[in-house]
Amino acid sequence: GQQVQQSPASLVLQEGENAELQCNFSTSLNSMQWFYQRPGGSLVSLFYNPSGTKHSGRLTSTTVIKERRSSLHISSSQTTDSGTYLCASGSWQLIFGSGTQLTVMP
Amino acid sequence: DPKIIQKPKYLVAVTGSEKILICEQYLGHNAMYWYRQSAKKPLEFMFSYSYQKLMDNQTASSRFQPQSSKKNHLDLQITALKPDDSATYFCASSQEPAVNTEVFFGKGTRLTVV
Repeated sequence: GQQVQQSPASLVLQEGENAELQCNFSTSLNSMQWFYQRPGGSLVSLFYNPSGTKHSGRLTSTTVIKERRSSLHISSSQTTDSGTYLCASGSWQLIFGSGTQLTVMP
Repeated sequence: DPKIIQKPKYLVAVTGSEKILICEQYLGHNAMYWYRQSAKKPLEFMFSYSYQKLMDNQTASSRFQPQSSKKNHLDLQITALKPDDSATYFCASSQEPAVNTEVFFGKGTRLTVV
């Protein structure tokens, strides 16, 4: 069936370190979005990136559609980056991964 | 300003009762969706509507009924509530119900059934 797998499941960093989050998706899925889920539960859209590389501040998303993978790079992490990062891929609906729980220590 | 408004933010309901979750979007989008996030589970797709017509339904139970009175409204009626229905329900929208289109989410309604 359609699947989206994220890794790692959790990640602990010291402030200032970089993070690389991975997302792999099955062949029947096409689009790719990255979200940040706040501790209170609301979703913040980070990137809509079906292919190629996009930048936003300290965040970079790279999707290689042929290899069915996408990554989210966070540079110079800050404590406020802590939370859950979700990737989602889809055809007519979004299929979400289980998320990466990021903790950035001061 | 939030462009997808969900009401209420929190909701507590008694088992067996009925509740309606409200969603309005002001993005001018033609497609709207409901997703659900239960405790420690990934977000899962429930329904999609396009131009006020049901496009896809991945919810097994008929207790969940979307209602679209206007193009920018998609409410979710849940009847005969069960404790297992406790979850955060997210409304979403996109410009068109097409493949490869960005989807925008509301802040969610957290439902607790006691």
